[in-house]
Amino acid sequence: DAGVTQSPTHLIKTRGQHVTLRCSPISGHKSVSWYQQVLGQGPQFIFQYYEKEERGRGNFPDRFSARQFPNYSSELNVNALLLGDSALYLCASSPGQGRGTGELFFGEGSRLTVL
Amino acid sequence: GENVGLHLPTLSVQEGDNSIINCAYSNSASDYFIWYKQESGKGPQFIIDIRSNMDKRQGQRVTVLLNKTVKHLSLQIAATQPGDSAVYFCAETRGSSNTGKLIFGQGTTLQVKP
Repeated sequence: DAGVTQSPTHLIKTRGQHVTLRCSPISGHKSVSWYQQVLGQGPQFIFQYYEKEERGRGNFPDRFSARQFPNYSSELNVNALLLGDSALYLCASSPGQGRGTGELFFGEGSRLTVL
Repeated sequence: GENVGLHLPTLSVQEGDNSIINCAYSNSASDYFIWYKQESGKGPQFIIDIRSNMDKRQGQRVTVLLNKTVKHLSLQIAATQPGDSAVYFCAETRGSSNTGKLIFGQGTTLQVKP
């Protein structure tokens, strides 16, 4: 069975550009969460989407946005890239959004480098 | 405030020994905790979880202990193997029913010496 898939796996952008990262959850999973992982640190929560609606947002500027599609796949968009946006962006899916579904299944991530 | 931290950034153990990785959390309202393992170049992988109404939970070769009095969480790995070498994160959830949001610590790197 396919796990959480993310694309692209690696990309390089310059300051001021924008980027779109894509995520396909595990089949049957309706919740998708996005995390940013800076080198040497733990992942930081950015967004959660469930049934195509935003259900949670972390402490990130408005340059970060996301959406979820009818097939439950998701996109993370980052505008006006800064050097500090360089990180591994992780997507995670789970069946629902209720308590106890802490077993998020993570993808391998998209490594973004901003020059 | 939001703070899930780990006591040691790196832990080095001999193959076959037991490993103990510690984690401290600051919010007493946190009621669900998870340990993740992250190998180089991969996403975090779920290991084991525990709810705040429990003190201990065991899995295959792993045990999680929760001490709510001192807000401390630990992961014990029995008979550590080279394949256990990775970065280990504790994570917590708190507040609403939205458990897509996890608060991660900074991680402990486990090195297993052959």
